[in-house]
Amino acid sequence: EADIYQTPRYLVIGTGKKITLECSQTMGHDKMYWYQQDPGMELHLIHYSYGVNSTEKGDLSSESTVSRIRTEHFPLTLESARPSHTSQYLCASSESLGAAGGGYTFGSGTRLTVV
Amino acid sequence: QQQVKQSPQSLIVQKGGISIINCAYENTAFDYFPWYQQFPGKGPALLIAIRPDVSEKKEGRFTISFNKSAKQFSLHIMDSQPGDSATYFCAASKGGGADGLTFGKGTHLIIQP
Repeated sequence: EADIYQTPRYLVIGTGKKITLECSQTMGHDKMYWYQQDPGMELHLIHYSYGVNSTEKGDLSSESTVSRIRTEHFPLTLESARPSHTSQYLCASSESLGAAGGGYTFGSGTRLTVV
Repeated sequence: QQQVKQSPQSLIVQKGGISIINCAYENTAFDYFPWYQQFPGKGPALLIAIRPDVSEKKEGRFTISFNKSAKQFSLHIMDSQPGDSATYFCAASKGGGADGLTFGKGTHLIIQP
């Protein structure tokens, strides 16, 4: 079954630690995205990618970085976690959009707490 | 500057009633307008989407109405059910969504039995 997977689902980590949030999709989608969302609140785009070796920053400034070495994999890294990074991080992917349009498929998210 | 404004922030509707959520946008370059439904602990799921060349799209109990001149679009949920209780987000994008979606702030919908 085609889907998008995020791990871990929950992460509690100390200040200053390096973390990587994993995101993988099995749909062969070219485009992938990372959104940041405080629980029940709006989503803010922090990174996106058009395909392999492509990464762009989104509307919301973020200290995180991303990489896209393989089509199916789009990990997000925080070099030094801080309490201000506490949030939910959602990964999404979409097929190339043409006249027919296309929806984004979201993962279930990683809820990050930095203590 | 918020490019997609959504209202109301929260909404309580009786079972069987009509739920209406409204969104307004500012960027006339937007050409794709989806609605997402999100349950607690889950990622948003695409509910229905519309492009500006049509004024209405219906899928089951869900209908999008689109007013290009007013730069507004709305979601109507007919015969609302308790299982519809969730947070709903409108969104908009340009270029078919390749550069990411801009989301509204969300509406917390509660359907009372």
